[in-house]
Amino acid sequence: DAGVTQTPRHEVAEKGQTIILKCEPVSGHNDLFWYRQTKIQGLELLSYFRSKSLMEDGGAFKDRFKAEMLNSSFSTLKIQPTEPKDSAVYLCASSFSSGNTLYFGEGSRLIVV
Amino acid sequence: GDSVTQTEGPVTVSESESLIINCTYSATSIAYPNLFWYVRYPGEGLQLLLKVITAGQKGSSRGFEATYNKETTSFHLQKASVQESDSAVYYCALGDLGYGNEKITFGAGTKLTIKP
Repeated sequence: DAGVTQTPRHEVAEKGQTIILKCEPVSGHNDLFWYRQTKIQGLELLSYFRSKSLMEDGGAFKDRFKAEMLNSSFSTLKIQPTEPKDSAVYLCASSFSSGNTLYFGEGSRLIVV
Repeated sequence: GDSVTQTEGPVTVSESESLIINCTYSATSIAYPNLFWYVRYPGEGLQLLLKVITAGQKGSSRGFEATYNKETTSFHLQKASVQESDSAVYYCALGDLGYGNEKITFGAGTKLTIKP
């Protein structure tokens, strides 16, 4: 079975660019999560979908970060405009339902210069 | 707030030696804490290693064990004899049984390297 797939694996962007990260959850999973991982802050939840509905939109991350789930098998995270402080690994995870085991992708490493 | 503190890495252990990675948590806003260890092997995504939802219980997987100690607010990960294949980054995490995965708080991670 395919796990969570994230693309691109690596991305280098210039400050001010728009970046779109993609995620395909495990087939049949209803919940999808986007996290940002940095050495200083660790894993921070950006967005959370349940059955394609946005349940949490990231609070402090709202202004330049927008996650969408157009169908049950595909989600995007748009960062617009990018800033150097957005350099991080972005992780996507899915689970069958609330409380069930989380399955993570390998992540997308973003560097903003 | 809720937080998780774990052994700061990197940690290097020789093969066949014993291992303990410390994890303590603070669950100020969580009525029913449950605890997890996740692991990230090289080239793979984070995956669940073990979880415990009841205080006093022990979880185990792949030779690793962790006991949920409510008195000391700890969930240390232990293994009696490590193998080279255990080299990975280990994350302790705290959840709320009354909520879903959106309430999970992760520790900073401990990078473990096993020397052959």
